[in-house]
Amino acid sequence: DAKTTQPPSMDCAEGRAANLPCNHSTISGNEYVYWYRQIHSQGPQYIIHGLKNNETNEMASLIITEDRKSSTLILPHATLRDTAVYYCIVRSLRSGYALNFGKGTSLLVTP
Amino acid sequence: EPEVTQTPSHQVTQMGQEVILRCVPISNHLYFYWYRQILGQKVEFLVSFYNNEISEKSEIFDDQFSVERPDGSNFTLKIRSTKLEDSAMYFCASSTPIGNTIYFGEGSWLTVV
Repeated sequence: DAKTTQPPSMDCAEGRAANLPCNHSTISGNEYVYWYRQIHSQGPQYIIHGLKNNETNEMASLIITEDRKSSTLILPHATLRDTAVYYCIVRSLRSGYALNFGKGTSLLVTP
Repeated sequence: EPEVTQTPSHQVTQMGQEVILRCVPISNHLYFYWYRQILGQKVEFLVSFYNNEISEKSEIFDDQFSVERPDGSNFTLKIRSTKLEDSAMYFCASSTPIGNTIYFGEGSWLTVV
């Protein structure tokens, strides 16, 4: 799986949009970009994934650049409960393929 | 919303003892996983399981570890002879057959003393 690079930490004010960047310059054509988060040692929580088109669900939006070498996870109105470690993971959709977690970005949402 | 459930939530065991961690994956999922997270470190893949056999495993998953799906609902991780360094949070996960999004349980915290 391709390697990803994320900033180690970010801050965001409550109510503002949180934009979390991720670089994945070695991504290959059949690899998807997945985002998970982990709130204080709870189980990782799936957020969203995409291949090349932008995606949106009830939790977040995922913007993938045209060359697919980077992406941004957007939490449109961050709340204190969004404070967590966010992981950007590149992964083939081949069934059974594991997720390889890096260190992620520790997002702190402040009042 | 369906979820992966794990038991026990916390177990303390003596070094050298056998431990079995249990998981009930989401009911229509076909792929099952175990991950672990040592305190303060990243989440690490241990093993994936499909059609009653291991499909992939990491170098962490040595002969001390085994997995089993003893019936139609449970998925277990056995550690044969626990070591101090096995102390960690163990996460079970399962994934959809189509799309293959992986969903995690809340974890079982294992403390080896």
